[in-house]
Amino acid sequence: QQQVKQSPQSLIVQKGGISIINCAYENTAFDYFPWYQQFPGKGPALLIAIRPDVSEKKEGRFTISFNKSAKQFSLHIMDSQPGDSATYFCAAARRPAGGTSYGKLTFGQGTILTVHP
Amino acid sequence: GAVVSQHPSWVICKSGTSVKIECRSLDFQATTMFWYRQFPKQSLMLMATSNEGSKATYEQGVEKDKFLINHASLTLSTLTVTSAHPEDSSFYICSARVEPGLAGGRSYNEQFFGPGTRLTVL
Repeated sequence: QQQVKQSPQSLIVQKGGISIINCAYENTAFDYFPWYQQFPGKGPALLIAIRPDVSEKKEGRFTISFNKSAKQFSLHIMDSQPGDSATYFCAAARRPAGGTSYGKLTFGQGTILTVHP
Repeated sequence: GAVVSQHPSWVICKSGTSVKIECRSLDFQATTMFWYRQFPKQSLMLMATSNEGSKATYEQGVEKDKFLINHASLTLSTLTVTSAHPEDSSFYICSARVEPGLAGGRSYNEQFFGPGTRLTVL
């Protein structure tokens, strides 16, 4: 019930195209859904995050779409650039009952994105 | 803001030796830090949750006597891999959680990751 399933494993997109990565979760208690970008040999960096009270969040070229009933969320990268080539991880977390802080992150399996020039 | 550093960035050691990895939150206080390991082309696997001033909470299957964690201050957590063996070779990454109200007035707490430490045990 703690799993987050991410697809596809790898994605190749042409420069200027739209990259779409999908994640599905099982635990309905999750209420925080971040996306991380990781370059080889580096730690993950937070890209964008959403909470289930909204269905979409946009920051620049990055958009999260959230479907609470389907327990799915996705990352859209508009106008993809070669510099976006990296591994992307979705994650989910929840606040323990009565707590104010989110607990540990449960990560998806990762998607290796390659943007061809 | 919200910068996390790790030291060393890479280390090579002989089998049987112990290695200490430091994780520091440079511009914020972190009561909670997390330690992950990551194998090539795989996801991050949480090893333990480190809370300042108390014992770490280890994930199932992680040997607490092998991976010693000390969170002695609000800006420093250390991971010591004791009696390292080649199978311990991995990329170790820490993260620090921003607590609401302690950094930038954030309404929810994010985790910021360090750059990772590449451990190679010969």
